[in-house]
Amino acid sequence: AQSVTQLGSHVSVSEGALVLLRCNYSSSVPPYLFWYVQYPNQGLQLLLKYTTGATLVKGINGFEAEFKKSETSFHLTKPSAHMSDAAEYFCAVRGIGGNNRLAFGKGNQVVVIP
Amino acid sequence: EAGVVQSPRYKIIEKKQPVAFWCNPISGHNTLYWYLQNLGQGPELLIRYENEEAVDDSQLPKDRFSAERLKGVDSTLKIQPAELGDSAVYLCASSRLAGEEAFFGQGTRLTVV
Repeated sequence: AQSVTQLGSHVSVSEGALVLLRCNYSSSVPPYLFWYVQYPNQGLQLLLKYTTGATLVKGINGFEAEFKKSETSFHLTKPSAHMSDAAEYFCAVRGIGGNNRLAFGKGNQVVVIP
Repeated sequence: EAGVVQSPRYKIIEKKQPVAFWCNPISGHNTLYWYLQNLGQGPELLIRYENEEAVDDSQLPKDRFSAERLKGVDSTLKIQPAELGDSAVYLCASSRLAGEEAFFGQGTRLTVV
């Protein structure tokens, strides 16, 4: 079964600084990978996804993530944090074929310091 | 295009009472999911439907939880009787096909007192 590990439940970043959220996955087959963002009292919104092809994926709001099969990682980055980036971020993995369960990590609560 | 619609947004009930949540997925989306999200945790799958068939319900506590998706469109998730530990956010999501990205509703926040 697929699973995701996100370390560090709370991440503080200064406004204008690099945002880096780490995600490592386990999967017996090459997976589909996703990053979702959740603002307070809202549902989850897709930031970006990797299915096949280019391993560097660009998403909304200036975020991007790179799929590294050798490291089983899909870290999320943004060069310059903005106050509006304060939210909770979830990495998710989905298997391919018979098991299509979308499994989420525990999330990272991002706090942006002015 | 309307997104995934859930109701109610908030629900407070006493323990041992029944409760039901409703979800209307995006039009044309065959796959529907119910997730449970505890405070400070990621969503956990309760059940997944392909059209009207429940294809993955291994995580659904069947002694008190039930779900249905009649006609393969709207879905209802029920808890009877509710327990204090059921207090959480219940998220509904849909996707056009099982392997595609899931779109989430705003969730129903349940408080059991």
